[in-house]
Amino acid sequence: GAVVSQHPSWVICKSGTSVKIECRSLDFQATTMFWYRQFPKQSLMLMATSNEGSKATYEQGVEKDKFLINHASLTLSTLTVTSAHPEDSSFYICSAPLPLYDLPHPYGYTFGSGTRLTVV
Amino acid sequence: QQPVQSPQAVILREGEDAVINCSSSKALYSVHWYRQKHGEAPVFLMILLKGGEQKGHEKISASFNEKKQQSSLYLTASQLSYSGTYFCGTESMTTDSWGKLQFGAGTQVVVTP
Repeated sequence: GAVVSQHPSWVICKSGTSVKIECRSLDFQATTMFWYRQFPKQSLMLMATSNEGSKATYEQGVEKDKFLINHASLTLSTLTVTSAHPEDSSFYICSAPLPLYDLPHPYGYTFGSGTRLTVV
Repeated sequence: QQPVQSPQAVILREGEDAVINCSSSKALYSVHWYRQKHGEAPVFLMILLKGGEQKGHEKISASFNEKKQQSSLYLTASQLSYSGTYFCGTESMTTDSWGKLQFGAGTQVVVTP
């Protein structure tokens, strides 16, 4: 089945440093990737949508300069948390539409395994 | 706007049934259901498209009432493996919402032996 590989699975970084999270679609082309953030015991909140070859669109309240998204190819999207602070500590998950060839709408969405970011 | 999920949590004994509800104030194109185990990413269960269909996956089924913009997930004869947090994700009819899922707060399901 369609798999999105997300790395790293966890990262601990010092306050003020930047962290890059990668999501790769392994056996399909992901022209779109959604990035979510999940705080403990809370729901997934959509942060931004990345589209291959164009600028990402951010949800209201998400700082574009802090969460840099790059979708340079059909199989790779990256999220860079710049100048990370403890309040950025969270579970970050990417998701891509599952390919479906006989309907105009994606059947579902496949998620990466998530990255637990801890900023100390 | 996030859909409203209920109940927040449910504790079941193995073999019992449960219903999880998801409602939205927006006109929906689709409702998705996911299950997440602690520390893991959500796993796709099923999608229901506009049209009021009902679907099933083993002993887990769901319905979508598009008149009420509500979906229900039915856990039948629950198994220990059903434990986890269930999220509904809704996709509204507006073009700028295509593919964007708004997730409910989740329903924690605990199945005990």
